[in-house]
Amino acid sequence: AQSVTQLDSHVSVSEGTPVLLRCNYSSSYSPSLFWYVQHPNKGLQLLLKYTSAATLVKGINGFEAEFKKSETSFHLTKPSAHMSDAAEYFCVVSGSGNTGKLIFGQGTTLQVKP
Amino acid sequence: GAVVSQHPSRVICKSGTSVKIECRSLDFQATTMFWYRQFPKQSLMLMATSNEGSKATYEQGVEKDKFLINHASLTLSTLTVTSAHPEDSSFYICSARKGLNQPQHFGDGTRLSIL
Repeated sequence: AQSVTQLDSHVSVSEGTPVLLRCNYSSSYSPSLFWYVQHPNKGLQLLLKYTSAATLVKGINGFEAEFKKSETSFHLTKPSAHMSDAAEYFCVVSGSGNTGKLIFGQGTTLQVKP
Repeated sequence: GAVVSQHPSRVICKSGTSVKIECRSLDFQATTMFWYRQFPKQSLMLMATSNEGSKATYEQGVEKDKFLINHASLTLSTLTVTSAHPEDSSFYICSARKGLNQPQHFGDGTRLSIL
């Protein structure tokens, strides 16, 4: 069975400082992993995805994530936060088999202070 | 590319009415669409998986007679909340994917409020 745990429910950073959103996963096989962002009252936007190619994945808006199998982690980072980055972030693993179901973490709220 | 449009964005209606929500893939053909429900400050809960031309597969605990899903074409799926009651008030989000092993693309969601 697959599962994903986001280690922080809320992260607060100052504008211009680095962002780190932590995610650990559990999977019995090589997983597909995603990070999505959700702004208030909006749907989800795909930031990046890992599908067993390069372990360092670059996404949109300056975000990137590194897949570390030994640590079962897929943490999301950004060198310098912008005010517009304030949103809810979801770490997601794709379910087993061909169902394509997504298994969501509980989400991390990113607050960016001026 | 990969734009998903969801309509309406917000619905307010009286208890007992039925509400239809549309999900369209605008620039690709979606073999599979998904319907989610999201409660305030919580993650997304998958309600059902909809494949074009076949019956939807519902998750455990989701009433199929309450939440009717139709996926009549490769670009359109609809969710109808029948005889809605206040406890059905929620944020409903659809997603669509082009095929297996492809990422899901999400609509902007529908805020449903039942009075």
